[in-house]
Order: sequence, then structure tokens, then C-alpha cells
Amino acid sequence: EVQLVESGGGLVQPGGSLRLSCAASGFTFSSSWMHWVRQAPGKGLVWVARINGDGSTTRYADSVKGRFTISRDNAKNTLYLQMNSLRAEDTALYYCARDPLGYCSGGGCSWGWFDPWGQGTLVTVSS
Amino acid sequence: DIVMTQSPDSLAVSLGERATINCKSSLSVLYSSNNKNYLAWYQQKPGQPPKLLIYWASTRESGVPDRFSGSGSGTDFTLTISSLQAEDVAVYYCQQYYGTPPTFGQGTKLEIK
Repeated sequence: EVQLVESGGGLVQPGGSLRLSCAASGFTFSSSWMHWVRQAPGKGLVWVARINGDGSTTRYADSVKGRFTISRDNAKNTLYLQMNSLRAEDTALYYCARDPLGYCSGGGCSWGWFDPWGQGTLVTVSS
Repeated sequence: DIVMTQSPDSLAVSLGERATINCKSSLSVLYSSNNKNYLAWYQQKPGQPPKLLIYWASTRESGVPDRFSGSGSGTDFTLTISSLQAEDVAVYYCQQYYGTPPTFGQGTKLEIK
């Protein structure tokens, strides 16, 4: 069974840091693009960051660029999101998700849809 | 960024009736070289993560009931539930994966009338 399990969320003060983890199982993690997507309480879905299979390329939403870092440890089948300089507006449920399609070729990179999603881990930024 | 706009924001349909949700993108998400629309639909029930229903605008994910169907091309897309069941109560999102960043519609809340 393909499964993603997030952890590491919690309450943090503005300006603080937090590292989220996403443990993957049931598929070939090292060849899968992975993403973080967040959902503020009662709001919609917003893409945060993406990493390719070997971790060599990453992309970020403008709202988190320079503050968040996505990384992975393929030996541990684990995805990470290091979040620094946290703001109140970063408060959200953070989901990790697999991209079944993502790849890069000579003509550029192609993204895919998100499947599956983890259950999410809640990050609350408040004093 | 490609803006995805869903309509309506909320919808109440009687059990057994048809439900239709629309999604419009600010730019075409049809890739001419492969003639594929880079559009997915998700279902999110309360307290659960989103679940993939449809990708390539009309390809149903394995295990998704055939009452769910996707249609459309270019900038205008539709998710149709042919005969609404009680377990279909959820928020539905469209998402484009044509441009960077990938973007979602604001969601459509589907309820039973």
C-alpha cells in the first residue's frame, strides 16, 4: 500500500523554525518527485515546494522562497521541509504528496498531479 | 501564475440527481504537442486529505466510481457526478499542472439538498 505519513508539526513563535518530515512507503521513493502542499484553516489548497527524485532540483512558491527548504533522504524514504523565519500566515495543515508524472527531459520539466497525499501535520505560528 | 476559478462556490443537490462543478483557467492548459489537458480534480471530505479523482481532465483514477466524470479542454472544464450519493458530500478542487507553480481552484462545497 502506498502511504505517506507526516510528522513534526506544532506550535511555534513568529520568527521560529520547524522541520517537517514525511515517511514514504509502498512505492519507489527515490524515483518519485515529491511536493509539500498546505491548507490554512478553513481555506483552500496551496502548493509550497517540490523536489525531484534525486534531490538535485527544487522549486518553491514565492511566499516561502528563501525561508523554506525542501530536501529528501532516499536511504530513509523520507521527505523534509525545513521552515525558518515562520510567520502567522504560515499557519496551516501541511501535506506531503507524490507526483506520479514529474520528470525533466531535454525540452524542459513536466509536473503532474498529486497522489497520494499524507494525512497532514498542523503548523501553528503564534505568540 | 495560472488562476483557476471554480463555480459555483457551493452547491446543494438531491440524492440521485446530477451535480456539475465548473473550473476555468486563466490560460489554456492544453499542451499541443501531446494534446493533453493538464488538469486534475480532487475530492476532500471533512478531516481528510484530498483524494485524486480525475487527471488529464478526463481520466478517472483507479477505484473511483464511474459516476464521476471529467470533461472539457483548453480553459473550461467540468466535473460531473451523475447520480449523487450521500458519501459524495465534500469539497471538490480542480488543479492545473501545466504551468509553474501548480495552482488550485478555490473549491466547491457539495451538499445534499
